[in-house]
Amino acid sequence: SQQGEEDPQALSIQEGENATMNCSYKTSINNLQWYRQNSGRGLVHLILIRSNEREKHSGRLRVTLDTSKKSSSLLITASRAADTASYFCATTGANNLFFGTGTRLTVIP
Amino acid sequence: SQTIHQWPATLVQPVGSPLSLECTVEGTSNPNLYWYRQAAGRGLQLLFYSVGIGQISSEVPQNLSASRPQDRQFILSSKKLLLSDSGFYLCAWSVSGQFNQPQHFGDGTRLSIL
Repeated sequence: SQQGEEDPQALSIQEGENATMNCSYKTSINNLQWYRQNSGRGLVHLILIRSNEREKHSGRLRVTLDTSKKSSSLLITASRAADTASYFCATTGANNLFFGTGTRLTVIP
Repeated sequence: SQTIHQWPATLVQPVGSPLSLECTVEGTSNPNLYWYRQAAGRGLQLLFYSVGIGQISSEVPQNLSASRPQDRQFILSSKKLLLSDSGFYLCAWSVSGQFNQPQHFGDGTRLSIL
């Protein structure tokens, strides 16, 4: 399966700490994307990293990509209670994106 | 700017009843459109995608069907619902012809089958 797999499945941290989530995948990709989903809502696109990029930043988000290890990580710095959500990585297929099962992040105020 | 609307937000239906979920997109032309199902605490399963009016591709054989009667309208249907059809249904769009670009999601429909 081309589907990404996030690790850990759940993560609980204190507000102000950094949160790191990992994604592994099995086949070659064009790009890898990270999404956020608040409980009971749709997914929101956070960041896209192309296969020829190794690192990308957007505000408090930092994404890395290691195509040799077929893995990516999402770092959220200085976490806030509002960052509580599920985070999904998505890898590109021929006709669509393949989403992982997500990491459930809880930020405790 | 582009927006995507899904309705209803929640739906409770008896087994064997029909289903119609609607999704519309504003502010873009000829988008790729997608229907996903998300089981509780799980990832997204792609059900259908469409690259144009009347063009539907099914990813998973099932009790559901999809139609795209207008450029920015995507409908998910069933003639007879099963208990296993319960779940959270999400509609999404992406830029025309660009399957590897970001997808933009509606707020979903929570479907419960009794």
